[in-house]
Amino acid sequence: GAVVSQHPSWVICKSGTSVKIECRSLDFQATTMFWYRQFPKQSLMLMATSNEGSKATYEQGVEKDKFLINHASLTLSTLTVTSAHPEDSSFYICSAYKGGKTEAFFGQGTRLTVV
Amino acid sequence: GENVEQHPSTLSVQEGDSAVIKCTYSDSASNYFPWYKQELGKRPQLIIDIRSNVGEKKDQRIAVTLNKTAKHFSLHITETQPEDSAVYFCAALVGAAGNKLTFGGGTRVLVKP
Repeated sequence: GAVVSQHPSWVICKSGTSVKIECRSLDFQATTMFWYRQFPKQSLMLMATSNEGSKATYEQGVEKDKFLINHASLTLSTLTVTSAHPEDSSFYICSAYKGGKTEAFFGQGTRLTVV
Repeated sequence: GENVEQHPSTLSVQEGDSAVIKCTYSDSASNYFPWYKQELGKRPQLIIDIRSNVGEKKDQRIAVTLNKTAKHFSLHITETQPEDSAVYFCAALVGAAGNKLTFGGGTRVLVKP
């Protein structure tokens, strides 16, 4: 298999502040990583595709200036939620693919609570 | 883009009975169909997958069938056990679209002892 790790596992922040979530591929290199958001009792919704060395590709309806994605190395992508509001509270999960495989490897997720 | 619909949204079965979850997809270019089990607050866990050149795949108590013509695929769990209780998601991937996974809405399965 392959290991994808997210940090932190949970975070509480105040409204108006920014929060950074890290997604690391521990034992493989990933030129592409994906960020999902999952609200309670709902499905995973793709937010954006993170591309190493270039700009992220955002899904329709996702504000790129609010959800900043940086993929500066082949093993690390970061998602920064800027000016967080309570409605941004959610479970954020990243995924990556190893080599040419189609099996997605998921991070353990980050529970964000904005108060 | 791809759209995946999943039914039912909730499923309650007696221990030992079978559970069936059905999904349909819209993009005929989808070529990979994984199924995930997710427990509360945890990451999705791949339980079985099927590729578009295969009609059926089985792994112990779990099986998946794919009908490319009708664009639907199903998950079958036999001899259900209480530990099978979780939320199950189907997904479809279009490899040519950069490996983007589109998830179904999820099925909450409860296995009653």
